[in-house]
Amino acid sequence: QVQLQESGPGLVKPSQTLSLTCTVSGGSLSSGSYYWSWIRQPAGKGLEWIGRISISGSTIYNPSLESRVTISVDTSRNHFSLRLSSVTAADTAVYYCARESYDFWSGFYDSWGQGTLVTVSS
Amino acid sequence: SSELTQDPAVSVALGQTVRITCQGDSLRNYYANWYQQKPGQAPVLVMYGKNKRPSGIPDRISGSSSGNTASLTITGAQAEDEADYYCNSRDSSGNHLGVFGGGTKLTVL
Repeated sequence: QVQLQESGPGLVKPSQTLSLTCTVSGGSLSSGSYYWSWIRQPAGKGLEWIGRISISGSTIYNPSLESRVTISVDTSRNHFSLRLSSVTAADTAVYYCARESYDFWSGFYDSWGQGTLVTVSS
Repeated sequence: SSELTQDPAVSVALGQTVRITCQGDSLRNYYANWYQQKPGQAPVLVMYGKNKRPSGIPDRISGSSSGNTASLTITGAQAEDEADYYCNSRDSSGNHLGVFGGGTKLTVL
């Protein structure tokens, strides 16, 4: 059973860059046909899809965040990462990493990290 | 605003049946998937693709779809079913972006 674990600073100053890593255990990032995704959730609000990366490095991002987001993958370390630049208080949220299983008709998140709270504040 | 629309809140009496719906144009072309989220926890997949249940999800949870609407039905609701439920699918742009509904808070009375 694959497990995902987010890590990174819990506090980021406004205008700086948020950086998180998702480490995959119990399986290889490179095995199977999956996307590796980031999703966030502000306190008391719903889930927001941030973007995803394939094992080949192909990325796709939420258009509302695209200018500030970079997702990368490091297969040698079995982890993938999120960078979100020029953060504001509106970026304060619990950030989840997740594995996406997919075919043409659907993409669903069958494994999730526990989530990590990132607060943007000076 | 989300491309997938859910009722913000639904309630059901203990042991009764409840349907949670998700509407969106993209659902005419893509399946909806459903997640259960309890306070302080990560979401858990409870239904995916064409009405498939992950292992460990009770069979009193089922899914259906028609046109632009997908539904999650809980038959014989239990206290432990009280949670937030989110649908997700692809967006309607054709670029295979991910999108979530706004979520439905289910209260079991």
